[in-house]
Amino acid sequence: EAGVAQSPRYKIIEKRQSVAFWCNPISGHATLYWYQQILGQGPKLLIQFQNNGVVDDSQLPKDRFSAERLKGVDSTLKIQPAKLEDSAVYLCASSSRTTSEDEQFFGPGTRLTVL
Amino acid sequence: GENVEQHPSTLSVQEGDSAVIKCTYSDSASNYFPWYKQELGKRPQLIIDIRSNVGEKKDQRIAVTLNKTAKHFSLHITETQPEDSAVYFCAASRTGGSYIPTFGRGTSLIVHP
Repeated sequence: EAGVAQSPRYKIIEKRQSVAFWCNPISGHATLYWYQQILGQGPKLLIQFQNNGVVDDSQLPKDRFSAERLKGVDSTLKIQPAKLEDSAVYLCASSSRTTSEDEQFFGPGTRLTVL
Repeated sequence: GENVEQHPSTLSVQEGDSAVIKCTYSDSASNYFPWYKQELGKRPQLIIDIRSNVGEKKDQRIAVTLNKTAKHFSLHITETQPEDSAVYFCAASRTGGSYIPTFGRGTSLIVHP
């Protein structure tokens, strides 16, 4: 089966600019996650969707970050305006959650550099 | 919320030796503990996981142990090979309903030929 797709793979912007990332999960996966991975750290969950509803967004900086999954499939994560500390890899993951399997499958990530 | 501590941050071993990475968690309700391997520039990939109803799980050269009382779990890699070199992350979460995994900071494993 095809894996989780993300685009773009790399993005360089200046602080205060806006940026958007796109994720296409594995077909049929109801749950979608966005993570922020700062260099040298583990992934930090930003937001979790179950179909098109938000399950948890407690760690999403809502003053500048937003995410949506309107049709319960693809998702976009937006940062507006970006700060230097937003430089990180943004990982999207999906899981089935229709069975007892909880394995998350990660996409290749988008490496964001904010100058 | 959950807090996961992972040690050591770096681990250097000779090929053929064993490697052990340890994690502790704070939320006693956590019941699912996956381990991920992330090679340089690549995505994290699940290598093994354990649920709170078992104490140990093994898959070829990889094993994971869980001590619910002490709230710690460990990854054991035997007969290490250079291709085992990567960053390993542990995570803790709850299954059912909201699944909010918390990751450790990672362990950089270097296996010297």
